[in-house]
Amino acid sequence: EIVMTQSPAILSVSPGERATLSCRASQSVSSNLAWYQQTPGQAPRLLIYGASTRATGIPARFSGSGSGTQFTLTISSLQSEDFAVYYCQQYHDWPSYTFGQGTKLEIK
Amino acid sequence: EVQLVESGGGLVQPGGSLRLSCVASGFTAISNHMSWVRQAPGKGLECVSLIYSGGGTYYADSVKDRFTISRDNSKNTLYLQMNSLRAEDTAVYYCARRDPSGYERYWGQGTLVTVSS
Repeated sequence: EIVMTQSPAILSVSPGERATLSCRASQSVSSNLAWYQQTPGQAPRLLIYGASTRATGIPARFSGSGSGTQFTLTISSLQSEDFAVYYCQQYHDWPSYTFGQGTKLEIK
Repeated sequence: EVQLVESGGGLVQPGGSLRLSCVASGFTAISNHMSWVRQAPGKGLECVSLIYSGGGTYYADSVKDRFTISRDNSKNTLYLQMNSLRAEDTAVYYCARRDPSGYERYWGQGTLVTVSS
């Protein structure tokens, strides 16, 4: 099983600033990496797939990068609605697609 | 518009059974890979079962031989039959439509399953 490790567990950032979240895979997943956002009481929402492609309707301030084992989600200028938990997911290891443990993005 | 609506959750005693349902609209479930993903309270996400468009199935080791995924094509509905439930099965269960590439593109709102005496 491919283990996904996200860092940091909690990230405190002020509104308007940039946030950078990391995700590392225990072995290469190529570009088969997705990012999800989850707000309290809500289902996860797909943000990024293919490591860097924004899903439909996702604002341009969200961007993803990386390949192989190291990935980054960047939110360029934080809005109030962006404070949430973010998960990465690898979908390289068919069909056991594993998630990271999440990064909580909180208001500083 | 794609919609997924889960139901069937509730409180059940250890060793008991529940059947979750997920009604799909805006697309044909049989033509897509459909998954159940759960989230224990305060924890992360775990894909526990998947049914491929071709009908094959997948189960995580944690639920193998206890859970069964199925679908009713006439009702465009996905099911998860859960038997021999344990306290560690307590979670919100989400139904999701998996893109052919592998990520979960659409999610339902979830249904809470609590296993407790």
